[in-house]
Amino acid sequence: AQKITQTQPGMFVQEKEAVTLDCTYDTSDPSYGLFWYKQPSSGEMIFLIYQGSYDQQNATEGRYSLNFQKARKSANLVISASQLGDSAMYFCAMRIGAGSYQLTFGKGTKLSVIP
Amino acid sequence: DTAVSQTPKYLVTQMGNDKSIKCEQNLGHDTMYWYKQDSKKFLKIMFSYNNKELIINETVPNRFSPKSPDKAHLNLHINSLELGDSAVYFCASSPTRRNEQFFGPGTRLTVL
Repeated sequence: AQKITQTQPGMFVQEKEAVTLDCTYDTSDPSYGLFWYKQPSSGEMIFLIYQGSYDQQNATEGRYSLNFQKARKSANLVISASQLGDSAMYFCAMRIGAGSYQLTFGKGTKLSVIP
Repeated sequence: DTAVSQTPKYLVTQMGNDKSIKCEQNLGHDTMYWYKQDSKKFLKIMFSYNNKELIINETVPNRFSPKSPDKAHLNLHINSLELGDSAVYFCASSPTRRNEQFFGPGTRLTVL
């Protein structure tokens, strides 16, 4: 069963605006980690941000923030002040369990920033 | 200063051939991974090695065999290549199982 769901295959945002990319997850394990990766058209996978299930505060990294709503099992990525270089595929991923090595990825959201 | 490197970047080959993809990380990480990204961009873990020991072996055909000669290297050998093996293969590494994984640039494999 799919554990990570990204419901938006594609999104458009105006340059300099903020955008939210949705991610919901499903696990009964109390210990898990949530990750967001960016994949530009050049193909490399770039780590953006991490949120642990026990972290009290929402993670932030520069223009990226993670809107973590544990009760709703959602971990949405917010990109503020979008730039043309933000156009890319964005993947949400989850690691389940404290002893796990495995990342399970969502299907991704293609973000296009419009000038 | 490349953290995780893969060679080759592109690999075009005929069905039935055997090929290898090499991966090296200079980050001193303990754990390395192989992922497959299909034509629909879906990423799926194939293997994970921790300190040269196989930890994860997902439902991957046994034509795929990973080899870890040391902690810094995890190579992927594929026997009897099939059309469905065409994909982008990513190597990744992480310092511990809890941290983010750093990905290599990917190897685009095309089987004709």
